[in-house]
Amino acid sequence: RKEVEQDPGPFNVPEGATVAFNCTYSNSASQSFFWYRQDCRKEPKLLMSVYSSGNEDGRFTAQLNRASQYISLLIRDSKLSDSATYLCVPEGSGNTGKLIFGQGTTLQVKP
Amino acid sequence: DAGVIQSPRHEVTEMGQEVTLRCKPISGHNSLFWYRQTMMRGLELLIYFNNNVPIDDSGMPEDRFSAKMPNASFSTLKIQPSEPRDSAVYFCASGRNRGHTEAFFGQGTRLTVV
Repeated sequence: RKEVEQDPGPFNVPEGATVAFNCTYSNSASQSFFWYRQDCRKEPKLLMSVYSSGNEDGRFTAQLNRASQYISLLIRDSKLSDSATYLCVPEGSGNTGKLIFGQGTTLQVKP
Repeated sequence: DAGVIQSPRHEVTEMGQEVTLRCKPISGHNSLFWYRQTMMRGLELLIYFNNNVPIDDSGMPEDRFSAKMPNASFSTLKIQPSEPRDSAVYFCASGRNRGHTEAFFGQGTRLTVV
């Protein structure tokens, strides 16, 4: 089983839609989780950090389900500028700092 | 604040040549990561350092790859000899490990080995 699994998509949604991505991870000892956003031919940028059951930042909500070992990212009221690849990143066991990235889910928001 | 600085931004080299990629982490960060990204394999962790010490190099593909961090403000990733399959974007990221690590990426080095 891969350490981190994401549906690669692409998810094609109209502006204003709500879209959710899931990510499953295999290391049950992971304590910290991150969502990164990567635009085409650019570096990944930190979008959200998740340390407890979830986090909300404006239109973005991340939720963590430790029992099932998955993290979700919900984007409400999608904008064209949200089009990007979203990468899920659980931190290694014991918060060692080892950051393993998922393959990413591609979102395309259309007018 | 200056972010993570990588050089060069682009490198084209011939098979068999030595390639050295450079990274200057964000001041005050104590973790440094080297990643490689390709379409086929995504973003792969090659090696990471805590306080200048290599912690996990299990992602380094083979002995042709080596990484050093002689001090807190500089790291190199060297490939010798380079091969066409090494062509990829190489990212350096740094973070502050304080129970959790939020990493910030440089703009990457796009390496092409012909």
